[in-house]
Amino acid sequence: DQQVKQNSPSLSVQEGRISILNCDYTNSMFDYFLWYKKYPAEGPTFLISISSIKDKNEDGRFTVFLNKSAKHLSLHIVPSQPGDSAVYFCAARAAGNKLTFGGGTRVLVKP
Amino acid sequence: NAGVTQTPKFRVLKTGQSMTLLCAQDMNHEYMYWYRQDPGMGLRLIHYSVGEGTTAKGEVPDGYNVSRLKKQNFLLGLESAAPSQTSVYFCASNQRIDTQYFGPGTRLTVL
Repeated sequence: DQQVKQNSPSLSVQEGRISILNCDYTNSMFDYFLWYKKYPAEGPTFLISISSIKDKNEDGRFTVFLNKSAKHLSLHIVPSQPGDSAVYFCAARAAGNKLTFGGGTRVLVKP
Repeated sequence: NAGVTQTPKFRVLKTGQSMTLLCAQDMNHEYMYWYRQDPGMGLRLIHYSVGEGTTAKGEVPDGYNVSRLKKQNFLLGLESAAPSQTSVYFCASNQRIDTQYFGPGTRLTVL
């Protein structure tokens, strides 16, 4: 039973447009959420995070939105660039330090 | 500052063979983790350690053992490899509530 789900395995977007990645979770004990980006043959790298006490966090072109009542978060990338083509993982943390990851969304940004 | 390194990068085993994956970090992190990544499953936690000399089971620990004899190293062992253990293995580390830093991965194939 996956506690963190990314229902879209892939996403294709034109360069310059917005990319929206979605993530749903079931465990109400999660209090911190992260997005990781992964290029082929590399390890995931941290992108952006949000605490459960906030509903939005912004870092440059990347914004994460959290809707606690819906147990849903999303990552917006504006504008999308070809270098953003990667797999994006949503992750959530409950008490302790362990992360639970979603299945990932592969993003392709077309020039 | 190399961050998190993993050895080896690739390995092919026959069913029943054993091997050890080595993870090393030079950031003096207390926490270390082993994950496996399978298509559509995201990253799943195998085992983790909250400090030198400690280990604990994660989500999918069966068939694996770990040791943390030195703070900077975290070893993952497969005593009798099975085809179901074909995967990409990632090591990560962090300092308590900090974001996790990942190594480049080890691609393991069990025939």
